[in-house]
Amino acid sequence: DAGVTQSPTHLIKTRGQQVTLRCSPKSGHDTVSWYQQALGQGPQFIFQYYEEEERQRGNFPDRFSGHQFPNYSSELNVNALLLGDSALYLCASSSDTETGDKAFFGQGTRLTVV
Amino acid sequence: DAKTTQPPSMDCAEGRAANLPCNHSTISGNEYVYWYRQIHSQGPQYIIHGLKNNETNEMASLIITEDRKSSTLILPHATLRDTAVYYCIVRPSRVKAAGNKLTFGGGTRVLVKP
Repeated sequence: DAGVTQSPTHLIKTRGQQVTLRCSPKSGHDTVSWYQQALGQGPQFIFQYYEEEERQRGNFPDRFSGHQFPNYSSELNVNALLLGDSALYLCASSSDTETGDKAFFGQGTRLTVV
Repeated sequence: DAKTTQPPSMDCAEGRAANLPCNHSTISGNEYVYWYRQIHSQGPQYIIHGLKNNETNEMASLIITEDRKSSTLILPHATLRDTAVYYCIVRPSRVKAAGNKLTFGGGTRVLVKP
C-alpha cells in the first residue's frame, strides 16, 4: 500500500500563473482533503471532496478550486497565483468505514511563487 | 469545533516519558480528541484519539480528564525520532455528508534531547 501520494514534490511558479497539484488517496479511501501550511504554522483546511463533490470548504478564495475523479484521486487548482500562496500543500485521505476516521497525509507539495 | 490550547514548546530527555498537555474547555459531548504529529518536512501523522476513556496504542497513551476539559498525550519512552510538532485537535464524530475536516492550531514543538 503506497499510502497517500502527491505530485509534484516541489514546484516554482511565477505570480499570476496557474498551478495544478495532484493527490492519490490511500487504497480504500474515498474522501480527500486539501490543506495549506505556511512556514511555521499549522495546516489550514482548504476543502474536502467526497463522491466527486466538494463537501466542505475552508476560508479560501475562489481562486482555489478542486476536483475529485471516479477513482477518488484529486486535483487542487490555484489560479492567479500570489506570493502569499507559497506554502506546503498537503493532501489527506480518509474513509468513514475505517475505524477512528483517521486522516492519512501525503508528504506534500512545496509551492514557491516568485 | 472546540478550540484547543497547547504549550508552544517543550523539551524531553531521550528515554524518559513525554507528557504533552492540551486544554479543550469548550469541548462538547460528541467531540473526540485527536492527536497528530508532524516531523520536519513530512505530512502530519495520526497518533491516537479518544472520546472519554483513556486510550493506548503502540505509539502513545491518551489520558482524558473526567470532565473532558483537558487531556494529556504520553509518549512512554521518547526517542530522538519523536522530535516533532504535536497537534491536539477536537472535532465531532463523523457525520456523513457533513465532512470531517481537521482544525490545526499551533501545536507543541517537542524536542527530544540525548
